[in-house]
Amino acid sequence: DTEVTQTPKHLVMGMTNKKSLKCEQHMGHRAMYWYKQKAKKPPELMFVYSYEKLSINESVPSRFSPECPNSSLLNLHLHALQPEDSALYLCASSQDLRGTGNTIYFGEGSWLTVV
Amino acid sequence: AQKVTQAQTEISVVEKEDVTLDCVYETRDTTYYLFWYKQPPSGELVFLIRRNSFDEQNEISGRYSWNFQKSTSSFNFTITASQVVDSAVYFCALSENDTGGFKTIFGAGTRLFVKA
Repeated sequence: DTEVTQTPKHLVMGMTNKKSLKCEQHMGHRAMYWYKQKAKKPPELMFVYSYEKLSINESVPSRFSPECPNSSLLNLHLHALQPEDSALYLCASSQDLRGTGNTIYFGEGSWLTVV
Repeated sequence: AQKVTQAQTEISVVEKEDVTLDCVYETRDTTYYLFWYKQPPSGELVFLIRRNSFDEQNEISGRYSWNFQKSTSSFNFTITASQVVDSAVYFCALSENDTGGFKTIFGAGTRLFVKA
């Protein structure tokens, strides 16, 4: 069983809705990630938090807003999304961003459908 | 330029056959890390193995084995005596040092179908 838990597993939202995806890890990891994965494509990095600070933002549109309340939690706030944003959103964590600690462990993902 | 190439989009085998998934990478760094992940239909990416660039030893874990060759920039994955439960998408990934720390990028994936 994964030690990275994501909620909800499935989410359907309208283009004017505001919703959030939540992620929690209890491995004591200090780096957390959001990836987006479209059907039949590899995961694409969106954001990386390191020691609760945003470390990498891969030029993600502002309708996606990440938040890291503490070292165990990571949220992704969603607002005014487009249908093309429908995808599997994967949360992940690693020990840190150093080479020795960068094995990434993924959650089961949140399947998002924007209607 | 694509840094991780998995040239095989889909592979179909019959149970008990051996199958090799290819991965070729590109990097200028001397220190880097390579990974394989399995993604079953449920969606979660499951970590299988990690190698660092200084360790070219091949590795075997049960029916799984990995062949890392720096001379050809390849990190291939072999499943021996495949089983239906091996059906999944397999991703090869490369982690290199970037601004802010090591960043991991994934190949396009190889979808493996194992038929009974």
